[in-house]
Amino acid sequence: ERVMTQSPATLSVSPGERATLSCRASQSVSSNVAWYQQKPGQAPRLLIYGASTRAPGIPARFTGSGSGTEFTLTISSLQSEDFAVYYCQHYSNWPFYTFGQGTKLELK
Amino acid sequence: EVQLVESGGGLVQPGGSLRLSCAASGFTFSTYWMSWVRQAPGKGLEWVASVKQDGSEKYYVDSVKGRFTVSRDNAKNSLYLQMNSLRAEDTAMYYCARISDVIINYWGQGTLVIVSS
Repeated sequence: ERVMTQSPATLSVSPGERATLSCRASQSVSSNVAWYQQKPGQAPRLLIYGASTRAPGIPARFTGSGSGTEFTLTISSLQSEDFAVYYCQHYSNWPFYTFGQGTKLELK
Repeated sequence: EVQLVESGGGLVQPGGSLRLSCAASGFTFSTYWMSWVRQAPGKGLEWVASVKQDGSEKYYVDSVKGRFTVSRDNAKNSLYLQMNSLRAEDTAMYYCARISDVIINYWGQGTLVIVSS
């Protein structure tokens, strides 16, 4: 089983700054990685799939990168609505899915 | 607009059973794989089960195999999760989700299951 490990667990950033979230796979998952955003009391929302393709309607400030075992979600110029929990997920073993444990992005 | 509305959650005793439902609208339900994903209180996301368009293939996370059954009724645009032999560790919000080209791209708002005596 390919485990996804996210870091850091919590990231404190000020509005307008850049946030960089990391996700590491225990074995290569190629580019079969998605990123989700979840706000309190809400369902997750798809941000990125294929490691770097933004989902429809997702602002350009969200950028995904990486392949193999190292992946990054970068949010440039943080907006107030971006403070949430972010999950990476791999689907290289589809139809099975594995999520990372999440990174909480909080206001500094 | 894609809509997924879960129902059927509630409080159940350990060892008990519960059946969750998900009503889908805004898309051609019969042409999509569907999935259940859960989230324990204050914890992360865990994929639970997926079912093929015609119900002929079903997949489960190891922790629910033999206890949970995913099914669908395409005539009713509905997805189900029959949960038996429930344990305290099954306590979670259960989300219905649509799979598009292997990507989980739409989620319902969830239904809460609490397993407690």
